[in-house]
Amino acid sequence: EAEVAQSPRYKITEKSQAVAFWCDPISGHATLYWYRQILGQGPELLVQFQDESVVDDSQLPKDRFSAERLKGVDSTLKIQPAELGDSAMYLCASSLSQGLMNTEAFFGQGTRLTVV
Amino acid sequence: SQQGEEDPQALSIQEGENATMNCSYKTSINNLQWYRQNSGRGLVHLILIRSNEREKHSGRLRVTLDTSKKSSSLLITASRAADTASYFCATDSIDYKLSFGAGTTVTVRA
Repeated sequence: EAEVAQSPRYKITEKSQAVAFWCDPISGHATLYWYRQILGQGPELLVQFQDESVVDDSQLPKDRFSAERLKGVDSTLKIQPAELGDSAMYLCASSLSQGLMNTEAFFGQGTRLTVV
Repeated sequence: SQQGEEDPQALSIQEGENATMNCSYKTSINNLQWYRQNSGRGLVHLILIRSNEREKHSGRLRVTLDTSKKSSSLLITASRAADTASYFCATDSIDYKLSFGAGTTVTVRA
């Protein structure tokens, strides 16, 4: 069964260091999402791609976060420099959605980031 | 910022009982989706209800949608221990964003 792949599963980094997360969506899925989930809270949308274009990144802290999906397939989310408050689960998801409606999203297992 | 708000925040029931949780949202939507998350894992899609639908069923799940009240409910019938998880509503808003609420944590006691 096709899955959304994320790596690494766990990452411990010191504050002020750079960190990157990678996501490989299900083949053929046009829409890719990055969410941040703090323990005990719901996922917060950081960035949403339609193919290689950004649909929404209004909640992405652009002074330190960047995201790209250069060929409209896999994606990388980067944080530089990392801060203690960035400790969270980073979830990637993808869907077949095209156009103006989001359909079922498939999630990866997430990357648990701890900033020390 | 989160679009949906679930109620209650936490729910504890006996195995075999029904569990009901509610979701309220703020803006116009194309559809509303419910997801389940087991501890420390990714989310799993449960059901999608479109804005022109009022009720939908899938196995032991029943979802209702009232767009005039901007609210939805998820009913899980005959709960099992395996239903212990967090449940989230997600709104597909008309600006094409998929936004999640804070979730309801359900504990099913054996």
